[in-house]
Amino acid sequence: DAKTTQPTSMDCAEGRAANLPCNHSTISGNEYVYWYRQIHSQGPQYIIHGLKNNETNEMASLIITEDRKSSTLILPHATLRDTAVYYCIARGSARQLTFGSGTQLTVLP
Amino acid sequence: NAGVTQTPKFRVLKTGQSMTLLCAQDMNHEYMYWYRQDPGMGLRLIHYSVGEGTTAKGEVPDGYNVSRLKKQNFLLGLESAAPSQTSVYFCASSYDSYNEQFFGPGTRLTVL
Repeated sequence: DAKTTQPTSMDCAEGRAANLPCNHSTISGNEYVYWYRQIHSQGPQYIIHGLKNNETNEMASLIITEDRKSSTLILPHATLRDTAVYYCIARGSARQLTFGSGTQLTVLP
Repeated sequence: NAGVTQTPKFRVLKTGQSMTLLCAQDMNHEYMYWYRQDPGMGLRLIHYSVGEGTTAKGEVPDGYNVSRLKKQNFLLGLESAAPSQTSVYFCASSYDSYNEQFFGPGTRLTVL
């Protein structure tokens, strides 16, 4: 699995878009980018994943650069309940997810 | 549809005691996983299973054993607990290796 780098922490105003960056410069062609989040000691929650194209679901959008060396998770209208640690994971055929330290997102009222 | 459940939610052990953590899923998933999470760190994979009757080692398997006798259950055993095994244990399941993993609420284990 490719190594990923994320900022340690970020703040976002409630109602504004939260843009969480992730660098994965060593990602290989068959590795997907996954995003999970963990809200205060609960089990991690899947958000979204993608390979090459941008993806959108009811929770978020995932923007992957054309060279696939970085990506951005976008929460379009952050709420206080989005305060969590967000994990970016690059994974290929390996069965295990490798969680790093993630980004602590704090949504401010 | 309960998703992934874990039993117990909390447990305190003395060094040398043994225990089994139970994970159950009702989504008919083939893949199941056990992770541990230490304070301020991400999750680390202990063992996983790709189907009934199969198990495999993850990143940190030492001191743990697992069994998958039924498709819906994945058991994690500690034969002789050590203080270093104080952690929060999460179970997860997935349809296959590429799709999302669904996580349980966790078991908080303290070994004195």
